[in-house]
Amino acid sequence: AQSVTQPDIHITVSEGASLELRCNYSYGATPYLFWYVQSPGQGLQLLLKYFSGDTLVQGIKGFEAEFKRSQSSFNLRKPSVHWSDAAEYFCAATDSWGKLQFGAGTQVVVTP
Amino acid sequence: GAVVSQHPSWVICKSGTSVKIECRSLDFQATTMFWYRQFPKQSLMLMATSNEGSKATYEQGVEKDKFLINHASLTLSTLTVTSAHPEDSSFYICSASSGPYQETQYFGPGTRLLVL
Repeated sequence: AQSVTQPDIHITVSEGASLELRCNYSYGATPYLFWYVQSPGQGLQLLLKYFSGDTLVQGIKGFEAEFKRSQSSFNLRKPSVHWSDAAEYFCAATDSWGKLQFGAGTQVVVTP
Repeated sequence: GAVVSQHPSWVICKSGTSVKIECRSLDFQATTMFWYRQFPKQSLMLMATSNEGSKATYEQGVEKDKFLINHASLTLSTLTVTSAHPEDSSFYICSASSGPYQETQYFGPGTRLLVL
């Protein structure tokens, strides 16, 4: 069965430190991959997406993600987090039929 | 670009009443719209997919008679929760897609429903 796994439910990081959020997928073929961010009580904002091509994808707010086919992973990174990056982050995948499947989410807490 | 709005942003209703939630794509035509439900501290669960001018496709376990979806135009989809009960209280989020294969979805801000 198709699945998206975010192993880390909760991550605490100091402001200014680097951040990496893990995402693994299980699909028959390489799906389209996305990272979304959700602030409390808000909808989802698209950070970046991978369809094909360059495996290092640049997104908004200084985020990037690297697609690794051999590891079925699409990890999100940011070199230096800001307090405003505290939020819930969702990895998602879809095949060509468009149904997005979300991971369970990773809650990021930023400490001073 | 790619802005999706939802109205209302929150609603409180009495048990047994019906509630309509609107989802609009403001600056693009959405060939497909999706409705999700999110429980506190959980991920989004797809409820249904709607294409303009056709019946919605519901996910397994979602009652189509309870959650009525209408996609009357390329910029508007509505979700009506009929005869709402407290267990229907949740955060409902819509998304819209314009890509040829619906690859990228743009999400609305969500509607919080509380049924008393």
